[in-house]
Amino acid sequence: DTGVSQDPRHKITKRGQNVTFRCDPISEHNRLYWYRQTLGQGPEFLTYFQNEAQLEKSRLLSDRFSAERPKGSFSTLEIQRTEQGDSAMYLCASSLNAGGETQYFGPGTRLLVL
Amino acid sequence: QQQVKQSPQSLIVQKGGISIINCAYENTAFDYFPWYQQFPGKGPALLIAIRPDVSEKKEGRFTISFNKSAKQFSLHIMDSQPGDSATYFCAAGGTGGGNKLTFGTGTQLKVEL
Repeated sequence: DTGVSQDPRHKITKRGQNVTFRCDPISEHNRLYWYRQTLGQGPEFLTYFQNEAQLEKSRLLSDRFSAERPKGSFSTLEIQRTEQGDSAMYLCASSLNAGGETQYFGPGTRLLVL
Repeated sequence: QQQVKQSPQSLIVQKGGISIINCAYENTAFDYFPWYQQFPGKGPALLIAIRPDVSEKKEGRFTISFNKSAKQFSLHIMDSQPGDSATYFCAAGGTGGGNKLTFGTGTQLKVEL
């Protein structure tokens, strides 16, 4: 399968714990996006990378959130000191370049914070 | 204002009918308007997308109509099938904003036999 992959698919954690999610984009896609989707809502933009550079972060991305894309390939999203409000589906998408190219989404990581 | 407003929230259509979902945006910097289909437990998948230099785009049973002056666009699903039952999201993006997408709130479509 050459699509966007995300790991894990599901994560249950207790409040206050740290969690890390991984996204592997489509090979050679230089843009990588993270979105968050809560039940009954559309995805909301969190941050994006052009190769290894993080170019924009949403106000939704508090100081407890950090994202990296160290070699311009896979990316990680870490949430420190999780809160119940962090419970959501975290979606990763990649695109070949800017200018309206299709964003291909992964299956998401569903996080539940107890 | 980055908001994209989508309606209706839910829609029930008979098999073979036409499903119509509408969206409106405010930010004139948006220049890319995709529609995504999402099944439960899955990530969104692109259906069709349009740029503001055309007023309509058709791919198979799916058509986007775009009205730049009204800042509105809509998705028409012709000959709707039960397999089309899913949640549909409109979105808008701008090259000046890194093409990050602003999504509508979604329309839950059910196609009945």
